[in-house]
Order: sequence, then structure tokens, then C-alpha cells
Amino acid sequence: QVQLQESGPGLVKPSETLSLTCTVSGGSVSSGYYFWSWIRQPPGKALEWVGFVSFSGVPTYTPSLKSRLTISLDTSKNQFSLKLASVTAADTALYYCAREGYDDDSFFDYWGQGILVTVSS
Amino acid sequence: FVLTQSPGTLSLSPGQRATLSCRASQSVNKRKIAWYQLKPGQAPRLLIYGASSRATGIPDRFSGRGSGTDFTLTISTLETEDFGVYYCQQYANSLRTFGQGTKVEI
Repeated sequence: QVQLQESGPGLVKPSETLSLTCTVSGGSVSSGYYFWSWIRQPPGKALEWVGFVSFSGVPTYTPSLKSRLTISLDTSKNQFSLKLASVTAADTALYYCAREGYDDDSFFDYWGQGILVTVSS
Repeated sequence: FVLTQSPGTLSLSPGQRATLSCRASQSVNKRKIAWYQLKPGQAPRLLIYGASSRATGIPDRFSGRGSGTDFTLTISTLETEDFGVYYCQQYANSLRTFGQGTKVEI
């Protein structure tokens, strides 16, 4: 059974960098044919796909965040991470990590419980 | 690729049938629509993928159908644990998008 768990600070100051880590158990982040994704949900709003990193370490980002976003893989720790620079209050959200399949199976089959990140001074 | 879900909220009683709609702004290739259930404090749960395939462990009271731009999630006989918010998602496009959700109140 694959499990994902988000970790990181729950409070970030405006203009600083938001850093989150997702630890994966029950499976390897470097095994083929999976993408490792971040999805967020601002308070009272819908889910928003943020981006993913492939099993080979290649990232893809949603266009609206691309200039501020880095998603990377750490195979030695079986983790992947998100860094979002120059945050504002609009980046306050519940952040989820999830596993996405490949090609025709590119839906999110395993998710973490989510971590609430508030951007405030 | 915009997904529009309706209704925004469904208020139903246990034993009733729930029908949730998801309409896409363009045709969804290969019926690449998934449905998820979200509850506070829990990891989101994949219910349906490929528009109509139930994910592992999902009860058969959950069913999905549709093609082109119109998709439906049906819960045939609601149980109290089915409350939550349901989202559809398309994965036909490289930029994944979600609908705005339907809240099911029991």
C-alpha cells in the first residue's frame, strides 16, 4: 500500500519561499511510470493542479506558477519536494502530494492527507 | 480545459440516489475523467477513472458514465459515510484540471 505524507512549515511570511516535502512509503519514487504531483486547495475554493516531477526527475508546472515553482525528486530519501518562491496571501492553501500514473492512467491514485500552509506576516 | 460541475450542493437522505454532473468545455479524449471524494482531515480518495472504471476497493454503489463533454457520477444508495465534496478531473490534457466540486450533504 503506497502512502504519502506531506511535511513543512505551516506558516510562511510574504515574499519568502514555501518549501514542502512529500515522503513516500510502500513504493519507490524512482520506479518507472509514475509522476509525483502537488495539488493545492485555497480556502473555500476548488482543487488546483500545481505540477509534477516524473520518475526520472523531469518536472512539469502549471503555467500560472511556472516562474516561481520548483518540484524535484530525492531518490535517496524516497521523497519529492515543492519550492514556491515570492509567496503572497494568494498562495495560502491546503497542499496535497499525490501519485499520478502514466499515459492512459494519469489520474491520481494515492494522496497524502494534506498540509495547510498560511502566508502571513 | 474547463470542467463545470453541477449542482453545487446536493442535500439528500440516506438511501436516496445522488447524481453529479461534470461538463467539459471540449471533448475529453479517451474518456479520461476521474472522480474523487474529499472529506476534511482525510486523504482524497479516487473513486472512478476512465469515466466508468471503479478504483480498487470502491463500493459498487458508485458508478460513472459519460463520453465527449458530459460525464456523470451516480451514488445509487447513499450511505452516511458518503458525505463530502466530489470533484471531477480531466487528464486528457497535459495541464490537469478539476471541476469546482459538488458538496453532498446527508
